[in-house]
Amino acid sequence: QVQLQESGPGLVKPSQTLSLTCTVSGGSISSGSYYWSWIRQPAGKGLEWIGRIYTSGSTNYNPSLKSRVTISVDTSKNQFSLKLSSVTAADTAVYYCARESPSHSGYDYWGQGTLVTVSS
Amino acid sequence: DIQMTQSPSSLSASVGDRVTITCQASQDISNYLNWYQQKPGKAPKLLIYDASNLETGVPSRFSGSGSGTDFTFTISSLQPEDIATYYCQQYDNLPRTFGQGTKVEIK
Repeated sequence: QVQLQESGPGLVKPSQTLSLTCTVSGGSISSGSYYWSWIRQPAGKGLEWIGRIYTSGSTNYNPSLKSRVTISVDTSKNQFSLKLSSVTAADTAVYYCARESPSHSGYDYWGQGTLVTVSS
Repeated sequence: DIQMTQSPSSLSASVGDRVTITCQASQDISNYLNWYQQKPGKAPKLLIYDASNLETGVPSRFSGSGSGTDFTFTISSLQPEDIATYYCQQYDNLPRTFGQGTKVEIK
């Protein structure tokens, strides 16, 4: 059973860089044709797709965030990571990592989510 | 970006009622649509993929239909454990986009 777990600071100061890691267990991040994704959700609001990475290292980002986002993968640690620079209070949200199925592009496995608050 | 518009934004129904949620895409997305259930404090759960296919392990009271720009999600007989917010999501194009959600409550 695949499991995903987000980790990282819960509090980030404005203008700094938010950094999160997603650790995948129960399977190799390199096996299969999966995209590994980040999705966020501000409190009481809907879901926003941030971006994704393939195990080859190929990435796609939401144009609304593209200038500030970097997603990377470390196959040796079975992890992928998110960096979001120059954060503001608008970046306060629960951040989820998720696996995108190659057959129907549905997110079939999710982390439990981690709340990141941007505040001084 | 493809805009996904769900309606209603919330609804209240009785146990056993049939519940229907609609999702409209701003352009033709064929059947490239998924539905998720999100309970408070939890990650979303995939229920329906490719507009009408039930994910493994999901109860058969959930169903989906539609293609092109108009889609429907149905709970045939609402159960207390179905209280949640439901989201549609398109995967025809990047960026992936979600509807704003429909909150389902028990009357």
